This record gives sequence, structure tokens and C-alpha cells, in this order.
Amino acid sequence: EVQLVESGGGLVQPGGSLRLSCAASGFTFSTYWMSWVRQAPGKGLEWVANIEQDGSEKYYVDSVKGRFTISRDNAKNSLYLQIHTLRAEDTAVYYCATRDFDWSLDNWGQGTLVTVSS
Amino acid sequence: QSALTQPASVSGSPGQSITISCTGTSSDVGSYNLVSWYQQHPGKAPQLIIYEVYKRPSGVSSRFSGSKSGDTASLTISGLQAEDEADYYCCSYAGSNTLLFGGGTKLTV
Repeated sequence: EVQLVESGGGLVQPGGSLRLSCAASGFTFSTYWMSWVRQAPGKGLEWVANIEQDGSEKYYVDSVKGRFTISRDNAKNSLYLQIHTLRAEDTAVYYCATRDFDWSLDNWGQGTLVTVSS
Repeated sequence: QSALTQPASVSGSPGQSITISCTGTSSDVGSYNLVSWYQQHPGKAPQLIIYEVYKRPSGVSSRFSGSKSGDTASLTISGLQAEDEADYYCCSYAGSNTLLFGGGTKLTV
């Protein structure tokens, strides 16, 4: 059974940094593209970033370029999202998901909440 | 890029059919047959219900169907059931290795 478990969220002051983690199990992690998607409270889904199987290719939504870094450790079956210079508008539940070859997000974790507030 | 356009809400009675539209542009929905749909119940993670415009993952009810015409994709749910009450999101490949979601539609049964 595919399992994705996010962690690392919490309350952070504006301008702060945070690293989110996603522990994967039940599938061959190193063969999948992975994605981060976020959802602000009461709002819709927003794709944030993708990373290729070996970590060599990374893509971001324009609004986070330069502040967010997606990475992975295939030896640890883990996905990460490093977030710098946090803003109030980054407050959201952050989900990790597997990205299939057809660009669908076929497995999702339960999410981790990031709250940016002073 | 702007989010794909979905109606904020739709409603239907048990047993009826409803359709949710998802309008993009020639740069996303109109250019690729890579539209997916997700169902999200309150407090839960989204779940994939349609991929590549009309295909259903294993385990998803055949009451869910997808289609596309030009820049607009659609999700139809037939034989509405109480458990279908949820938020629904469309998503399209938008080129340059990026994805674009719709704003979401709240379905009330």
C-alpha cells in the first residue's frame, strides 16, 4: 500500500524558514516524479513544485521561485521542501503526491499545516 | 498563470446527474489531453478520480466520467449519491513541466 506521510509544519514568523518532509513507502520511490501541492485555509489547490526521479530536474510555480527548494533522498525514500522568507500567503496545508507519467497526482499524503504569523 | 475556471458550486438531488465544467486556455486544457480531476472531502486529502481527460483509476466508480471540448473539460457524475458531496478540482498540464488547478467546485447533494 502506498503511503506518504508529511511532517515539519508548524507556526513560523514572517521571514522565517522551514523544511517539510515527506516519507514514502509501499512503492519504488526512486522511479516516481514527486510533487508538492498546497491549499490555503478555505481555498483551492495550488501546485507548488515537481522533482524528477533522480532529482536533476526541478520545476516551480512562479510565486515560489527563489524561495522554495524541492529535493529528495532516494536512499531514504524521502521528499523535502525547503521554504525560505516565509510570507503570510504561504500559510497552507502542504501535500506531497506522486506524479504519474500522465501528469496526474495519483497518491497523496494527509498534509502538514504551515502557519505564518507573528 | 491564472487558475482554470470552475463554477464555485453545483447541486443535485440523489439519483440525478450533474456536470462540472473546467475552462482553461489554448496553452493548457486546449493543448493537452492531460486533464485530471480530484475529489476532496472536508478535512481529507484530495483523491484522483479521472486522469487523461476521461480515464478512471482502478476502484473509482463508473458513475464518474470526464470529457473535453476545446479549452473546456467536464466532469459528469451520474446517479448522485450522498457520499459524492465534496469539493472537486480539475487540473491540467500547462506546459514547461507545470500544472494548473481549477479553483474548485463545491458539490451539494
